[in-house]
Amino acid sequence: EVQLLESGGGLVQPGGSLRLSCAASGLSFSTSGMSWVRQAPGKGLEWVSGITSDGGTTYYADSVKGRFTISRDNSKNTLYLQMNSLRAEDTALYYCTRDQGWESADWGQGTQVTVSS
Amino acid sequence: ENVLTQSPGTLSLSPGERATLSCRASQSVGKNYVAWYQQKPGQAPRLLIYDASSRATGVPDRFSGSGSGTEFTLTISRLEPEDFAVYYCQQCATSPRTFGQGTKVEVK
Repeated sequence: EVQLLESGGGLVQPGGSLRLSCAASGLSFSTSGMSWVRQAPGKGLEWVSGITSDGGTTYYADSVKGRFTISRDNSKNTLYLQMNSLRAEDTALYYCTRDQGWESADWGQGTQVTVSS
Repeated sequence: ENVLTQSPGTLSLSPGERATLSCRASQSVGKNYVAWYQQKPGQAPRLLIYDASSRATGVPDRFSGSGSGTEFTLTISRLEPEDFAVYYCQQCATSPRTFGQGTKVEVK
């Protein structure tokens, strides 16, 4: 069974930084593309970023480009999202997902990020 | 970016009825790389359909997807009580992999 466990969320002031982690198990992590998807309170889904299995190619939504960095450590079966220059509009539940093709086939339970002074 | 518009925003139906959800893209979706997800309150989304018409593992056959180009449809042939939820479409052909705003299927 695929398990994706996000961590690293919390309360941060505007302009601050957070690093999210996603520990993966029950899958061949090193051959899986991965993504981050977020959901603001009471709102819909927003795809944030994706990374290929070898980490060689990364993709970003325009709303986070230049501020967020996705990365992975295949030796640790872990996905990361470094978030800098955080804004109030980044407040959301952040999901880690495993890509099957390009769609998100497996989802974690999410980690909450709140940006507020 | 490819903007997806879902309609209707809310669908009020009774168990046993047929649900038809629409997803329209602002640009043609290459290779029909459209996925559909179901989300229930307090839960993570669940993949239902990928590549416009392929059911994900374990998804009941009452769920079906169709469409091509810019018009895509998710059909639930007979609503079961557990199907009342919010449904999202996503295009996966180009980055950013945009989602529609969602359709809520509620009990009439």
